[in-house]
Amino acid sequence: RKEVEQDPGPFNVPEGATVAFNCTYSNSASQSFFWYRQDCRKEPKLLMSVYSSGNEDGRFTAQLNRASQYISLLIRDSKLSDSATYLCAVANYGGSQGNLIFGKGTKLSVKP
Amino acid sequence: NAGVTQTPKFRVLKTGQSMTLLCAQDMNHEYMYWYRQDPGMGLRLIHYSVGEGTTAKGEVPDGYNVSRLKKQNFLLGLESAAPSQTSVYFCASSYPRGRLNEQFFGPGTRLTVL
Repeated sequence: RKEVEQDPGPFNVPEGATVAFNCTYSNSASQSFFWYRQDCRKEPKLLMSVYSSGNEDGRFTAQLNRASQYISLLIRDSKLSDSATYLCAVANYGGSQGNLIFGKGTKLSVKP
Repeated sequence: NAGVTQTPKFRVLKTGQSMTLLCAQDMNHEYMYWYRQDPGMGLRLIHYSVGEGTTAKGEVPDGYNVSRLKKQNFLLGLESAAPSQTSVYFCASSYPRGRLNEQFFGPGTRLTVL
């Protein structure tokens, strides 16, 4: 099993739709979790850190389920500008200095 | 603040040539990283540094060397480029706050090795 796995998509949704992505991780000792957004031919940009209690930023909600070892990202009221690839990242500590391990990304396409 | 910058933005090399990619950050971050991103492979860590004068290997270090002589700069070197090193290279930096290690990325360098 890969360390961090995401459904590659693409997810094609109409404007205004609610869409959810999941990301599973294999190391139960993982301690920090993030969602990044990457536009075509651009760098990844931090979208949200994911806290144990879950967190919300406007239309975006991130949740962590430690028991099942996955994090989720919910986007409400999708906009055309939300079209991008969404990467999840997981940090393991111990000897790795908290380096991030990235999933391969889920592509979202929001259509008019 | 410029954040994380990378030079050059694009480069074409012939097999066997050498080059250095420069990453600079003005956020006073302690940690810096070099990744490569290939289609279907995602982001993979090449080397990283947890402070000036220190470097360590990541997941895919072979064929690359790095140096961190100044806190704000992290250099990635290819001594003898190979076509397998054709990729997009991203630099990132972070200032770990406890267990939260949010990384910020530069715009990337697109390298083609012929």
